[in-house]
Amino acid sequence: GEDVEQSLFLSVREGDSSVINCTYTDSSSTYLYWYKQEPGAGLQLLTYIFSNMDMKQDQRLTVLLNKKDKHLSLRIADTQTGDSAIYFCAEILVSGAGSYQLTFGKGTKLSVIP
Amino acid sequence: GAVVSQHPSWVICKSGTSVKIECRSLDFQATTMFWYRQFPKQSLMLMATSNEGSKATYEQGVEKDKFLINHASLTLSTLTVTSAHPEDSSFYICSAPSTGFNQPQHFGDGTRLSIL
Repeated sequence: GEDVEQSLFLSVREGDSSVINCTYTDSSSTYLYWYKQEPGAGLQLLTYIFSNMDMKQDQRLTVLLNKKDKHLSLRIADTQTGDSAIYFCAEILVSGAGSYQLTFGKGTKLSVIP
Repeated sequence: GAVVSQHPSWVICKSGTSVKIECRSLDFQATTMFWYRQFPKQSLMLMATSNEGSKATYEQGVEKDKFLINHASLTLSTLTVTSAHPEDSSFYICSAPSTGFNQPQHFGDGTRLSIL
């Protein structure tokens, strides 16, 4: 089966940049996603990138994709205490009836130090 | 606003009780819904795919008789944890597929199940 790997913890100081890394194994994945989960809450889609893109920027978020190495990263500029959460990367599999099944990494817990 | 409503958000009950969790798609129909389980400090594990009008598809290692799934309508799927025990305590999240890759699934807010 496919595995999505992430480092489990990251700690940064407020105002610094955070970089969360992810590796995936399914080379056929067409879309890759970053989700944010705050304590006790569900998942919030932060951003996504199509596999034919190398980079996508959305305000403070920058996603880099190295398809050759199957490496995905999420950079958060000017990290704030409100960014403290668990971040999951996910890759997509197309299921039956055209629906999309996601495979998640284990999540990286980002702690922002004031 | 929320497009998938999950209820209840938190339930505490005694061991041996059966607990039903509802997942509703709001303003759209979902012939398929997904149920995930998340242990503390761990990732989401897909438990099963709920199919409207037919049997659910369970992932390997998930007990069908333990986790009953009913997808009775195009907007409602239910997960019933039967005869729950403390090891069933977890965070359960449902999702419904969207129609675009820019938002592949809409997630509910999750149900925290605590079995005493």
